[in-house]
Amino acid sequence: DADVTQTPRNRITKTGKRIMLECSQTKGHDRMYWYRQDPGLGLRLIYYSFDVKDINKGEISDGYSVSRQAQAKFSLSLESAIPNQTALYFCATSDGRGADTEAFFGQGTRLTVV
Amino acid sequence: AQSVSQHNHHVILSEAASLELGCNYSYGGTVNLFWYVQYPGQHLQLLLKYFSGDPLVKGIKGFEAEFIKSKFSFNLRKPSVQWSDTAEYFCAVNVSPGFQKLVFGTGTRLLVSP
Repeated sequence: DADVTQTPRNRITKTGKRIMLECSQTKGHDRMYWYRQDPGLGLRLIYYSFDVKDINKGEISDGYSVSRQAQAKFSLSLESAIPNQTALYFCATSDGRGADTEAFFGQGTRLTVV
Repeated sequence: AQSVSQHNHHVILSEAASLELGCNYSYGGTVNLFWYVQYPGQHLQLLLKYFSGDPLVKGIKGFEAEFIKSKFSFNLRKPSVQWSDTAEYFCAVNVSPGFQKLVFGTGTRLLVSP
C-alpha cells in the first residue's frame, strides 16, 4: 500500500464546479504539501501545513483552499474550477522533526477542467 | 526567494551514453539538495540527496551528483544511461534549517533511445 494516497486519481470537472482532492498518509509525518505540476513549469507549491493548526500559502494559492482535517489528512479544494487549473496535482509529506529529511509524494491526481 | 534552474529542458541520448544534467540554485545559506525522478505515469521518487559531508553523493540506479558550493550547483550524472532511465528529472532545494518545503526546478525530460 502507498504511504501517501491521493483520491481521486483522475477527475474531469466543469468550469465553475467545486471539487476536492484528498490526500492521506500513513507515514506519521507532521508536514503536508500540495503541489501542481504543469509541463515546462515543474512543481509549484500551492499550500503547505506544518501541523494540524498550521496552514500556509505557497506561491500559487489563488483559487485554492485547503483543510487539514487530521495529522494524516490534507485536502485541496477548488471553489470554482477554471480551465487553467487543469494540471497534475501532487500531495507530499515530510518529517519536520529534523532538517535532514526528504519529501514523499503521492501518485498524483490528474484534473481536467472543461 | 530561493530559485532553482535546470538549463536542459529536453535531453536525448543513446543507450550507454553518459549523462549530466545541470542544476543551479540561488540561495546564499545552507541548503539541502535533492534530485527526484518521475517515470512516465508515476509519482516523484527520490534519486539522491545532499545534506552535508562528502559533496559527491551516490544515489540509486547508478546516479550520482556533485555539490559545488562555490558554483551553487548540484549536477546529476550517470556514466552510462539505459533505456529505462527515460523519465523527467527534477532538482529541488530546501533551505536548512528552517522551512521544510522544497523549491523545484522546471525539470529535464530525458529520452534514452535503445
